[in-house]
Amino acid sequence: DAKTTQPNSMESNEEEPVHLPCNHSTISGTDYIHWYRQLPSQGPEYVIHGLTSNVNNRMASLAIAEDRKSSTLILHRATLRDAAVYYCIPGAYGGSQGNLIFGKGTKLSVKP
Amino acid sequence: DTEVTQTPKHLVMGMTNKKSLKCEQHMGHRAMYWYKQKAKKPPELMFVYSYEKLSINESVPSRFSPECPNSSLLNLHLHALQPEDSALYLCASSRGQGKRGTEAFFGQGTRLTVV
Repeated sequence: DAKTTQPNSMESNEEEPVHLPCNHSTISGTDYIHWYRQLPSQGPEYVIHGLTSNVNNRMASLAIAEDRKSSTLILHRATLRDAAVYYCIPGAYGGSQGNLIFGKGTKLSVKP
Repeated sequence: DTEVTQTPKHLVMGMTNKKSLKCEQHMGHRAMYWYKQKAKKPPELMFVYSYEKLSINESVPSRFSPECPNSSLLNLHLHALQPEDSALYLCASSRGQGKRGTEAFFGQGTRLTVV
């Protein structure tokens, strides 16, 4: 499984954009990049995933570097509800080549 | 229905007790997972079931015994646990192993305390 490097913590103001970086320099060419988040006292929830192209959904955008060695999760307007630990997880989910293995993640705090 | 339901939400058990955690999903997912999460740590993978067969055991002690009686249910049987086994136990499901790029759904977890 590819190793990841994420900041331990980040702070944001409410209604401002947030860019959460992740380095995954050992990612293989066929691994998707998944992002999950875990709100306090809840199970993790899926945020977004991508392979090569940038991706958008109702929750966030995912920008993937051309060499795929890093990615950035973008929350366009942070809300208090976005305060959570965000996990970047490269890898083939559930396959024999790897599973959804969580690293330390980034704890995002959102100030009103 | 995109829910993974775990019961009970909280469990306190003695070191000599036998108890079970239950997980249920009705999304037609064929892969199900158990994770253990200690306070302020990321979830750690314990077991993976694929098509009701155990495919991965991440060197989990035998006092934890998983069971997948059908495609919708996953149990974790607990016996002779230690206080250090106290943690949040999370269940997850996904469409299947080997299906790249699919999302996993997690339950809210069972908060286990071993006394």
